[in-house]
Amino acid sequence: EDKVVQSPLSLVVHEGDTVTLNCSYEVTNFRSLLWYKQEKKAPTFLFMLTSSGIEKKSGRLSSILDKKELFSILNITATQTGDSAIYLCASAGGTSYGKLTFGQGTILTVHP
Amino acid sequence: NAGVMQNPRHLVRRRGQEARLRCSPMKGHSHVYWYRQLPEEGLKFMVYLQKENIIDESGMPKERFSAEFPKEGPSILRIQQVVRGDSAAYFCASSEPLGTGGRYEQYFGPGTRLTVT
Repeated sequence: EDKVVQSPLSLVVHEGDTVTLNCSYEVTNFRSLLWYKQEKKAPTFLFMLTSSGIEKKSGRLSSILDKKELFSILNITATQTGDSAIYLCASAGGTSYGKLTFGQGTILTVHP
Repeated sequence: NAGVMQNPRHLVRRRGQEARLRCSPMKGHSHVYWYRQLPEEGLKFMVYLQKENIIDESGMPKERFSAEFPKEGPSILRIQQVVRGDSAAYFCASSEPLGTGGRYEQYFGPGTRLTVT
């Protein structure tokens, strides 16, 4: 069965700190690894990673994939209170490639 | 460019009634996905559809649940004879067709919160 595991499950930091969120996966017919941010509504797309070792960056957020170790990390530098959310990691694969298998999420709380 | 639209946002049904959840994909997207988020659990894949065709329904419960994406109109997730355990947030996502070389990340709608009383 496909599996995605995120760690830590929750994290509390202060504004300005840097955080690293972890995601490991075991997925048949792996196609891509995606990161989403979920506040009180829809998950918002952050990154999609398909190749090992190539960092994707958007402002203070960056992510990288290691296909040999089946692992991805999401980094957030200079955190702000607006970064408080659940961060979801998902892997695309399976027989139809359309199925996303989600991890349980990391709850990030950033205090002022 | 409107995002993925879902309605209703909140739905209350009594046990035994039917629930119909609607999803309109983003403009230019022809593939739709349904996910369920139970309280205190992660998002779970239910079904993947393109127009008039179910591609993968490996996550759908065997009974009472069905989904369609007709040639015209929104995708519908239908739950017959709802039970309390069906109470959850149901999210729809859409993407461009897979394997065409285009961007195929899934974009999510705001969800429908179903409460069964």
